[in-house]
Amino acid sequence: DTAVSQTPKYLVTQMGNDKSIKCEQNLGHDTMYWYKQDSKKFLKIMFSYNNKELIINETVPNRFSPKSPDKAHLNLHINSLELGDSAVYFCASSQGTGSGEAFFGQGTRLTVV
Amino acid sequence: AQSVTQLGSHVSVSEGALVLLRCNYSSSVPPYLFWYVQYPNQGLQLLLKYTSAATLVKGINGFEAEFKKSETSFHLTKPSAHMSDAAEYFCAVTPGTSGTYKYIFGTGTRLKVLA
Repeated sequence: DTAVSQTPKYLVTQMGNDKSIKCEQNLGHDTMYWYKQDSKKFLKIMFSYNNKELIINETVPNRFSPKSPDKAHLNLHINSLELGDSAVYFCASSQGTGSGEAFFGQGTRLTVV
Repeated sequence: AQSVTQLGSHVSVSEGALVLLRCNYSSSVPPYLFWYVQYPNQGLQLLLKYTSAATLVKGINGFEAEFKKSETSFHLTKPSAHMSDAAEYFCAVTPGTSGTYKYIFGTGTRLKVLA
């Protein structure tokens, strides 16, 4: 039973398109995240949500819009995709008020052509 | 502000040799520190974590790390490398207080194990 699952695993799309990535966690955590991993493997936080509320938005272009319908889900919608958006996007969750680690999904490899 | 520095983007060791991956942190508050491993085309898996209890932390797959406040370090070690240890390793830091909403990662170290 996967703790943090995200779909799709691979996404190939043309510039200018709009796409969404979905994430679900079954750990009962109250905090969820989106991270972007670039081609050099650098992991950068994009957003974090606590109890469905946006807590962190790390100067991400407003073409990226996260949505958290409930504590177990955090989706990422991307408008007008650009070549530079190509990366691996990771969803993660944690218990925000604890000392625990973040649990990561398997990642979504987005390729914009 | 918090940050993590991993010295050495690539480390090569022979099978059976000691593995040492370096991590130094900067934090204005007592930190929580983590080591994660990423195998090709996979997500990040926790190896071990320091959360202000014992300074020597043991993790999975024979890895351990020691928190040294005086050196602001949290280096990862394994006495004997195995071929299956070849992967990307990330050190991460987060504030050791309630309301943890951000994990800051180092730039990663790719470990290569030579036969």
